[in-house]
Amino acid sequence: DTEVTQTPKHLVMGMTNKKSLKCEQHMGHRAMYWYKQKAKKPPELMFVYSYEKLSINESVPSRFSPECPNSSLLNLHLHALQPEDSALYLCASSQTDRLSSGNTIYFGEGSWLTVV
Amino acid sequence: DQQVKQNSPSLSVQEGRISILNCDYTNSMFDYFLWYKKYPAEGPTFLISISSIKDKNEDGRFTVFLNKSAKHLSLHIVPSQPGDSAVYFCAASLRGAGSYQLTFGKGTKLSVIP
Repeated sequence: DTEVTQTPKHLVMGMTNKKSLKCEQHMGHRAMYWYKQKAKKPPELMFVYSYEKLSINESVPSRFSPECPNSSLLNLHLHALQPEDSALYLCASSQTDRLSSGNTIYFGEGSWLTVV
Repeated sequence: DQQVKQNSPSLSVQEGRISILNCDYTNSMFDYFLWYKKYPAEGPTFLISISSIKDKNEDGRFTVFLNKSAKHLSLHIVPSQPGDSAVYFCAASLRGAGSYQLTFGKGTKLSVIP
């Protein structure tokens, strides 16, 4: 089983709204990630959690706030977003945050976010 | 500066023939390479990977070749099937402290024609 589950699949929110994206994996992976992907572009790393602690923040604006309640769950809290934040938000996980042969990142199906 | 390059934005192949997707990289510290396949409106699906200590890895219809001296890898799909039509991303990770980070190429859109 290499499943990473993301909800919701689609989200439309206004610029003053507060919403959250959720991600879950039950593979026992201890590293979880948020990526952002715009159309016809590769995924861009936003955050890395390792053993439930935020280890990497790739200079993401504070209107995106990640949270890792436990080793299986990862949330992305959204507040005061801009229309240019509209994108596919991908959650991913791997056994640890040290990628190597046999330790691969597995992606969820993504949450399509539209900011109006 | 793009460290992982997929110079062909698109590729069309007849069903049953071989598809060859190419990827070049510039950073000699990359030591693990992956291929992902992505359908529209879905997240990337892991296909196959190769460590820098190998030059070939095979999994069913998919084979990845790595030429370290040329800093080049390729994904071979044989025989190609219409369901293989998707965008294929090459990705690489660094040895050591930067190994959490995947650097992606821009992708190649493969169309397999029935």
